[in-house]
Amino acid sequence: NAGVTQTPKFRVLKTGQSMTLLCAQDMNHEYMYWYRQDPGMGLRLIHYSVGEGTTAKGEVPDGYNVSRLKKQNFLLGLESAAPSQTSVYFCASSPWGASTDTQYFGPGTRLTVL
Amino acid sequence: DAKTTQPPSMDCAEGRAANLPCNHSTISGNEYVYWYRQIHSQGPQYIIHGLKNNETNEMASLIITEDRKSSTLILPHATLRDTAVYYCIVHYGGATNKLIFGTGTLLAVQP
Repeated sequence: NAGVTQTPKFRVLKTGQSMTLLCAQDMNHEYMYWYRQDPGMGLRLIHYSVGEGTTAKGEVPDGYNVSRLKKQNFLLGLESAAPSQTSVYFCASSPWGASTDTQYFGPGTRLTVL
Repeated sequence: DAKTTQPPSMDCAEGRAANLPCNHSTISGNEYVYWYRQIHSQGPQYIIHGLKNNETNEMASLIITEDRKSSTLILPHATLRDTAVYYCIVHYGGATNKLIFGTGTLLAVQP
């Protein structure tokens, strides 16, 4: 049981390049989330999904797109990377959206945009 | 979700209890108090949560005041590996189930 895994762990992009971050969970969770964390700050929600085939915007969705084609995977895409997207990206999952459903986080992807 | 207030940093001697305070004076009746921690930029790790009653698990204890306006996370015997940023979050699941993270408390456990 690997929990939540993220690929890649590190990436450096040039401005304007595109990339996809992959999140996978093996806990059969319905809800999945993408957060970003900037230096010295807490995590902020980018997009989330309440089930296979569904996605929705969080607090800071601009510049990102997501897809949840399979229940276990949640992809985060950057179509044209900007230096402002330099951050650490965390994926999380939870069984459902109940108040008592704990979120489980992945190890993070550290992205630098030059 | 209600906002929380935590001290930016605290020190604790190894082997002693670490008591981390959190104020959440605007908490609603159906919001839970959650604690997560983040060790050196790793993914946040769940510690404990509670609604009204005090809670204890293998990692920590959570003490919630009767009026629910504040709480304290207690690590009974802190070790160097407990050095981390601790986040207090008040949370009601809802449609998004999102967690709202503040800047947390950096707990430094000293040898």
